[in-house]
Amino acid sequence: GAVVSQHPSWVICKSGTSVKIECRSLDFQATTMFWYRQFPKQSLMLMATSNEGSKATYEQGVEKDKFLINHASLTLSTLTVTSAHPEDSSFYICSAGDNEQFFGPGTRLTVL
Amino acid sequence: RKEVEQDPGPFNVPEGATVAFNCTYSNSASQSFFWYRQDCRKEPKLLMSVYSSGNEDGRFTAQLNRASQYISLLIRDSKLSDSATYLCVVFASGTYKYIFGTGTRLKVLA
Repeated sequence: GAVVSQHPSWVICKSGTSVKIECRSLDFQATTMFWYRQFPKQSLMLMATSNEGSKATYEQGVEKDKFLINHASLTLSTLTVTSAHPEDSSFYICSAGDNEQFFGPGTRLTVL
Repeated sequence: RKEVEQDPGPFNVPEGATVAFNCTYSNSASQSFFWYRQDCRKEPKLLMSVYSSGNEDGRFTAQLNRASQYISLLIRDSKLSDSATYLCVVFASGTYKYIFGTGTRLKVLA
């Protein structure tokens, strides 16, 4: 199957800092990528749909100014958590694909 | 009502048992259906797509009932390695979103 990578795989930061997470499709082009967040023992919650060359579409309740998404190329989307707070600590996962969705390995964010 | 609902479990079954999970969805316009498997602290991986005619892959059988808006996953001859969370995923082209159920935890016991 296709490969999606994420970087970093885990990050620990202080409250108030910004964290950038990269999502790359390694062997295919993706005009659309999805960003999810998963809290412990809960399912994946869609945060936003990242569209190459245009603005991301955010789900209700997700602040676009806090979670900045940039999809500058067909193989890369970035999610920046700005001014991170402890409640932003979570497992962030991206996915891409035409029918079957391929998931990145996830980024575990811990905000102290 | 949640868009995709699953019994969170856990389902604790002995090795060799047959276990079935159901998932219901609320959007009648949903077009594609999938079962994903997620191991602890890992990303989800596709287990199988679900087709209207039903489909089987080894010990795994998936069924779709559009009239009642539910899909099912049957696992025969459970293995210890089947222990994981099974996520039901529904896609509607109108909204172009993949909606995940909360997942059903399966523990296969020796």
